[in-house]
Amino acid sequence: GNSVTQMEGPVTLSEEAFLTINCTYTATGYPSLFWYVQYPGEGLQLLLKATKADDKGSNKGFEATYRKETTSFHLEKGSVQVSDSAVYFCALWERRALTFGSGTRLQVQP
Amino acid sequence: DVKVTQSSRYLVKRTGEKVFLECVQDMDHENMFWYRQDPGLGLRLIYFSYDVKMKEKGDIPEGYSVSREKKERFSLILESASTNQTSMYLCASSLPDRTLSYGYTFGSGTRLTVV
Repeated sequence: GNSVTQMEGPVTLSEEAFLTINCTYTATGYPSLFWYVQYPGEGLQLLLKATKADDKGSNKGFEATYRKETTSFHLEKGSVQVSDSAVYFCALWERRALTFGSGTRLQVQP
Repeated sequence: DVKVTQSSRYLVKRTGEKVFLECVQDMDHENMFWYRQDPGLGLRLIYFSYDVKMKEKGDIPEGYSVSREKKERFSLILESASTNQTSMYLCASSLPDRTLSYGYTFGSGTRLTVV
């Protein structure tokens, strides 16, 4: 079946540091890939997505590239802010329903 | 502003009670989903529905049932609540789209504690 593996957190960074959160997946076909973000006390919000190989999703300074050869969709941001502190979920879609990773908590310190 | 609304933010119930979690969306979405969120486990799919009166089991349906009598409303039912069902429950909806171009819209969640 489908599965998503994310790096364990928490990830603690200083403001303006470079962020990478690793995500790899297992799927039978060609899924769509997503990153969702959950700010404290809120539901999940769609951050970015990519629907086919080599697509790059981007939003709010975050980027992720769909790499079919390495089955990966790593999330990156060049300069994080305190307001980026949240839990980030990688997910894949293949016909049925979204399959989520376990989530990675990001803490950004001033 | 389009919304998925979950009726309760916090809920405390006793072991053995029948519990109803309600979810309503105003986007005319065909698809609706129930997940539970637990630390270290991410979100796990309980049930989903592609249309009125239609339901499909997710990955962890045991101890749960659902009802979808109207397009906008999707209810999760805990037949006899147990302490291992203490969790955050998230409802979501989406359009029927082969690539899920617009993703899911999530509600704010219901934190259920079973004592």
